[in-house]
Amino acid sequence: QVQLVESGGGVVQPGRSLRLSCAASGFTFNIYSMNWVRQAPGKGLEWVAIMSYDGDTKYYADSVKGRFTISRDNSKSTLYLQMNSLRVEDTAVYYCARGRGWLTYFDYWGQGTLVSVSS
Amino acid sequence: QSALTQPPSASGSPGQSVTLSCTGTSSDVGGYKYVSWYQQHPGKAPKLMIYEVSERPSGVPDRFSGSKSGNTASLTVSGLQAEDEADYYCSSYASSNSVVFGGGTKLTVL
Repeated sequence: QVQLVESGGGVVQPGRSLRLSCAASGFTFNIYSMNWVRQAPGKGLEWVAIMSYDGDTKYYADSVKGRFTISRDNSKSTLYLQMNSLRVEDTAVYYCARGRGWLTYFDYWGQGTLVSVSS
Repeated sequence: QSALTQPPSASGSPGQSVTLSCTGTSSDVGGYKYVSWYQQHPGKAPKLMIYEVSERPSGVPDRFSGSKSGNTASLTVSGLQAEDEADYYCSSYASSNSVVFGGGTKLTVL
């Protein structure tokens, strides 16, 4: 069965960095686009970034552009999100989600990892 | 991209039908067939319920159906059951390679 397991969340001060990982299993990782979606406490969902199946193409939400970097290692079936210059407003549960097509919909989601940015 | 507009709450009694709306613009909901709906129970990950406006993934009850008219998409839940109580989020592909979500509707089963 498809499994997505995020890790790497925690408490970090504003301006610092954090790297999230998403370990995938149960499907052929290297043929799917992958995404990060976040949810601030008590708020709605916000799409963060997408990476194509081969890692050649990536796009970001304006709110994270220039600060976050999405990457993947297909040999390890793992998706990453490098988050730099973190802000208080980046506090959220971060989900990785498998994409179908290109930004059409997300059919499987991980359980999420909490990132808390606070001084 | 601005978030899609969803009513904050909706409710219905067991067995009834309820329709949740999701309003966008011609640059997202109205411009593409890539509207999807997600169900989220408290403390859990979102679950795909509807994709491409009206398609249902395997395993999702046929009590859930989707439609779209102009810039507004709708999710109808028929024969409401207690386990349908959750937050529901709509989503749409938007121009410039992005995705926009709605603010979510909290569905209460009375």
